Amino acid sequence: GDSVTQMEGPVTLSEEAFLTINCTYTATGYPSLFWYVQYPGEGLQLLLKATKADDKGSNKGFEATYRKETTSFHLEKGSVQVSDSAVYFCALTINQAGTALIFGKGTTLSVSS
Amino acid sequence: DAGITQSPRHKVTETGTPVTLRCHQTENHRYMYWYRQDPGHGLRLIHYSYGVKDTDKGEVSDGYSVSRSKTEDFLLTLESATSSQTSVYFCANGPEGTDTQYFGPGTRLTVL
Repeated sequence: GDSVTQMEGPVTLSEEAFLTINCTYTATGYPSLFWYVQYPGEGLQLLLKATKADDKGSNKGFEATYRKETTSFHLEKGSVQVSDSAVYFCALTINQAGTALIFGKGTTLSVSS
Repeated sequence: DAGITQSPRHKVTETGTPVTLRCHQTENHRYMYWYRQDPGHGLRLIHYSYGVKDTDKGEVSDGYSVSRSKTEDFLLTLESATSSQTSVYFCANGPEGTDTQYFGPGTRLTVL
């Protein structure tokens, strides 16, 4: 079945460091790929998405590129801030409304000043 | 924006008690979803709805039922709560024509 694997955390960085959170997927169709972020005590917020191969999603300095050949959607940010501390979830869905999001287990990011 | 409110936000109940969680949307989206979040599992789909009175099961539907009598409300019921249903429950919605889903703030349920 469809699945998402993301790197185990926690990831601990100093402010202004470069961030990469790895995400790979297995899907039978052509999925849309998402990154969601969950700040402490809150719900999930959509961070970015990509719907087809080689698309790049970007938002708030975060980027991820849909790589079909490596079935990956790694999240990157050039310079993290303390306010980026959160749990990040990679997810996929097959390209239609009304289908489940399949989530990875989440990666906790902690940024210190 | 999801335009979702969930109630209650926190609930503690006892094993065997019926529990209903409410999800209310202001966006009038066709699709609504209930997920549960557990450590080490990410989020998993419980049930979803594709219209008024149209619902279907997700990956972890055992022990749960849902109802949608109005576009704006999607109810999740635990007929007889068990300790394994202690979790954080998230409602999500999504407009027609897109596969993006938007999440509410969550309900933390503890079953003692």
